[in-house]
Amino acid sequence: EAGVVQSPRYKIIEKKQPVAFWCNPISGHNTLYWYRQNLGQGPELLIRYENEEAVDDSQLPKDRFSAERLKGVDSTLKIQPAELGDSAVYLCASSSKTGGATGELFFGEGSRLTVL
Amino acid sequence: KQEVTQIPAALSVPEGENLVLNCSFTDSAIYNLQWFRQDPGKGLTSLLLIQSSQREQTSGRLNASLDKSSGRSTLYIAASQPGDSATYLCAVLWGNKLVFGAGTILRVKS
Repeated sequence: EAGVVQSPRYKIIEKKQPVAFWCNPISGHNTLYWYRQNLGQGPELLIRYENEEAVDDSQLPKDRFSAERLKGVDSTLKIQPAELGDSAVYLCASSSKTGGATGELFFGEGSRLTVL
Repeated sequence: KQEVTQIPAALSVPEGENLVLNCSFTDSAIYNLQWFRQDPGKGLTSLLLIQSSQREQTSGRLNASLDKSSGRSTLYIAASQPGDSATYLCAVLWGNKLVFGAGTILRVKS
C-alpha cells in the first residue's frame, strides 16, 4: 500500500514569490494534517482536515498561507508571498480516525522549502 | 500550556548498548502518546502508539512505557545498532491537539 505522497521534495525560491505543496494521503484516510518543522524542532500543526472540512486552522498564518482539500482526498498548501522565515520542512500526515480523536499518524517525506 | 519535553537532546552510545530516551508532558489528561523516528531529510515513521489506558507497548527491540500520573514516557531500545541512529520524537495527544517534543538525536557508533 502506498504511503503519504508529497511533492515537491525540495523547493528553492526568492522571497515574495509564491510556492505550493501537494499531498496525497493514504487511501481511505479521511483526516489530513499539514505540519511545519523548523530545524532542530518538532513539527507544529498548521491545519487539520476531516474530509474536505478544515476543522483546526488556528495555527495557520492566514495572511499568507492557504490550504485546500476540495474533494476530501488530495490537499494543497500555498504560501504567497513567501518570507525568509518560512524556510522549513512542510510535512503532510494522514490518519484514519475522525470525530475529534486522532489515531496513528502516518507522515510523508516532507517538502523542504528554502527562501532566499 | 500543554508542552512536551525530551531529554537528552542528543545521545551517543556504542553499538550493543541498551538505552532509554525520555519524554515528559505537562498535562496528564492525554488521549494517547506516540513515538516516531525521523531519519535525516525524511519524514516521520511511527514506532509505537500507547493509548492512555495502556502502560506499555512493545515492538521488536523497542519498548515504550507510559506513566500518566507523573507525566512521563520512556522509549527503551535494546541492543542498539548503528541503523538505530536517527532522531526520535515523542508526540502527545490532548483532545484534538497533537504536540511534539523537539526530539532526541541518537547516534550509535559501530
